[in-house]
Amino acid sequence: DSGVTQTPKHLITATGQRVTLRCSPRSGDLSVYWYQQSLDQGLQFLIQYYNGEERAKGNILERFSAQQFPDLHSELNLSSLELGDSALYFCASSDQYEQYFGPGTRLTVT
Amino acid sequence: GQQLNQSPQSMFIQEGEDVSMNCTSSSIFNTWLWYKQDPGEGPVLLIALYKAGELTSNGRLTAQFGITRKDSFLNISASIPSDVGIYFCAGQEETSGSRLTFGEGTQLTVNP
Repeated sequence: DSGVTQTPKHLITATGQRVTLRCSPRSGDLSVYWYQQSLDQGLQFLIQYYNGEERAKGNILERFSAQQFPDLHSELNLSSLELGDSALYFCASSDQYEQYFGPGTRLTVT
Repeated sequence: GQQLNQSPQSMFIQEGEDVSMNCTSSSIFNTWLWYKQDPGEGPVLLIALYKAGELTSNGRLTAQFGITRKDSFLNISASIPSDVGIYFCAGQEETSGSRLTFGEGTQLTVNP
């Protein structure tokens, strides 16, 4: 158990809908990262938050957004969903260099 | 997005054999991390490397940070059935802060 929790485990929704994925980092970790894992793109960095502030952005679509709250949990919001957004979404947290991953949320868009 | 070149893509070995996999990049990395992922689960951190030339072990696993800072390898000795899974290298590029860039993964199958 990495200490990083993610909910929900599975999510099935229709195209055009909006969903929110939630992540709680390890106790004491200030950084939260979001990654997307798809069959054709592998694991790709989306966005990083550090102590409530956006720190870095990767290959994140404009339809996606994230935030980190004062209690350090983070949410990833995905809107206007398309079939191609179906993937595993992972959250990771770190205190410095090592990143610890949560169990992921499997999103299926139908 | 950029990915590291990881090889081999897959390996089929007998229990007890040693395994070696590696990652290369055209960019310089400050940190190399090796993860194992089981189906439907999140990547689990196996080994972290911080300095060029560093050789680190974790049980039957040994990993090295290449001298050029553009490559890393992972060795697994005396493989056992529970070593089955996908192994990923990941690194933090010198110019990209703390985000991780991942390799494509090595699918390891161990036959008892």
